[in-house]
Amino acid sequence: GQNIDQPTEMTATEGAIVQINCTYQTSGFNGLFWYQQHAGEAPTFLSYNVLDGLEEKGRFSSFLSRSKGYSYLLLKELQMKDSASYLCAVRATDKLIFGTGTRLQVFP
Amino acid sequence: KAGVTQTPRYLIKTRGQQVTLSCSPISGHRSVSWYQQTPGQGLQFLFEYFSETQRNKGNFPGRFSGRQFSNSRSEMNVSTLELGDSALYLCASSRDYSKEETQYFGPGTRLLVL
Repeated sequence: GQNIDQPTEMTATEGAIVQINCTYQTSGFNGLFWYQQHAGEAPTFLSYNVLDGLEEKGRFSSFLSRSKGYSYLLLKELQMKDSASYLCAVRATDKLIFGTGTRLQVFP
Repeated sequence: KAGVTQTPRYLIKTRGQQVTLSCSPISGHRSVSWYQQTPGQGLQFLFEYFSETQRNKGNFPGRFSGRQFSNSRSEMNVSTLELGDSALYLCASSRDYSKEETQYFGPGTRLLVL
């Protein structure tokens, strides 16, 4: 079957660093996406990894290991506005499959 | 450039009715995908359209259908509504039908079935 796992909830403090993990088992792999979704809003694109390694984009970085079926999203210098759900999605053979999302709460 | 737009934003229907949701992709985008989002299940893939053809379909019953027009706008229809169809329906567009293409989401249509 096809499966994407990520923690349901995480909490962190403003200014800290948090790592959100995602493991996957899919039929075919054509890249992994991370999206951010604030409550009541549409998901917005954060990052895309198709090759192993780290992709850095400002305060956000995303890592991929295809051999381990593993990715993480790293958020640095957390801000209150980073409180949101973070969705891991894998482009399998024929479609984009989403995890159920990790709800991150940032406290002052 | 305008983003993905969806209409209506909110909808209340009763069991047994049908509903049609509309999605206008980002200008120049030719691929449109539809998702159902519920608190327990997350985003579930419904179908994907490109060049007016359904390219992929998720595991939803035949009550869920869609189509795409020549201007890339898309509609999805749900017939004989059930309580469990209450959800946020999201549309996403991408430039092309390519596995590497990033999908950009619209604000969604929140459907409540009573």
